[in-house]
Amino acid sequence: QQQVKQSPQSLIVQKGGISIINCAYENTAFDYFPWYQQFPGKGPALLIAIRPDVSEKKEGRFTISFNKSAKQFSLHIMDSQPGDSATYFCAEGGSEKLVFGKGTKLTVNP
Amino acid sequence: GAGVSQSPSNKVTEKGKDVELRCDPISGHTALYWYRQSLGQGLEFLIYFQGNSAPDKSGLPSDRFSAERTGGSVSTLTIQRTQQEDSAVYLCASTRGGSLKGKLFFGSGTQLSVL
Repeated sequence: QQQVKQSPQSLIVQKGGISIINCAYENTAFDYFPWYQQFPGKGPALLIAIRPDVSEKKEGRFTISFNKSAKQFSLHIMDSQPGDSATYFCAEGGSEKLVFGKGTKLTVNP
Repeated sequence: GAGVSQSPSNKVTEKGKDVELRCDPISGHTALYWYRQSLGQGLEFLIYFQGNSAPDKSGLPSDRFSAERTGGSVSTLTIQRTQQEDSAVYLCASTRGGSLKGKLFFGSGTQLSVL
């Protein structure tokens, strides 16, 4: 099954640092690119999403950067906090379903 | 309900047995999805319902897997003759309308262990 290619698989940053997670997609028919956050024992929850007609979207400490020509998008977490420790999934979607990446486990050390 | 409810939260079964996993979506959400989460494999799409119809069941791994939805609400995912490779977390999600312009609301999942 086609998947979005997500990297890195795991990431460790210090409190206050910047966390960066990258994703590459193939299907240019998709027009919706969300990031989901998942804590242990819970289902994923929508964090932030972007459409390809904009290059950047910021919500608080979370920013999505979108590069349509390179077919890549990334999540930046500024001033990372221990409470941000979770697994992050990028996804691509059209009108019906989301196709997810394999996830990045982020650990923010105090 | 307040959120997507899945039951049971944990299920341990023996190889070869059948299992049924249940999902109660958020009231009023017409679209319902099943995903499977295996270690290191991300979220694998299984099937999508719009109302009681399943326009896309392309992700079901084999004919041992089936799903239905009744009354535009509750959905059941059935796995027949379970195998060890079926062990995973099965996640259900719902959203308002048939479009993914809205966000998916996930349940906490059913952890299935096949011994």
